[in-house]
Amino acid sequence: AQSVTQPDIHITVSEGASLELRCNYSYGATPYLFWYVQSPGQGLQLLLKYFSGDTLVQGIKGFEAEFKRSQSSFNLRKPSVHWSDAAEYFCAVGPYNNNDMRFGAGTRLTVKP
Amino acid sequence: GAVVSQHPSRVICKSGTSVKIECRSLDFQATTMFWYRQFPKQSLMLMATSNEGSKATYEQGVEKDKFLINHASLTLSTLTVTSAHPEDSSFYICSARFSGRYTDTQYFGPGTRLTVL
Repeated sequence: AQSVTQPDIHITVSEGASLELRCNYSYGATPYLFWYVQSPGQGLQLLLKYFSGDTLVQGIKGFEAEFKRSQSSFNLRKPSVHWSDAAEYFCAVGPYNNNDMRFGAGTRLTVKP
Repeated sequence: GAVVSQHPSRVICKSGTSVKIECRSLDFQATTMFWYRQFPKQSLMLMATSNEGSKATYEQGVEKDKFLINHASLTLSTLTVTSAHPEDSSFYICSARFSGRYTDTQYFGPGTRLTVL
């Protein structure tokens, strides 16, 4: 069965500091991996996705993620966090057609001034 | 990116009443839409897959007679929570699947918070 684990429920970082949000997955076939961000009262916005190829994926808003098959991980990173990055972040795994996506529980990011 | 809207954004109703939530893809046609439910501090749980012109496919454990889904057009899917009870209070999120030549992506609506008194 496919599943996604985000070990950190809540992370606080200072503005300008680096960020890494963890994501581990369990998937029986070739995983397609996604990171979404959700601001209060808004829908989920796709930050980036991995289908195949280069395991380091660049996304919007300066985010990147690295797929590590040996560790079943797809961690999200950003070198310098901005106050506007405060939001809820979801990792998801699914097939290419997205028909059966599974989401992690989410990690809430707080940014200190 | 593509835009998906939901209406209403928030609804409070009495126990036993029915509530309809609309999901619209505003600038693209979506043959497939998805309905999710999100409890506080929990993951999004897929409830059903809605296909235009056919019956929805429900996930295991989701009562299809309680959560009625209609996907009457390529831009609109509705979820009706029938005879709502307090345990149905939750955040309901829809998404619409955009299938392009080089991409296949879900775009999410802003969600509807349902509170059943």
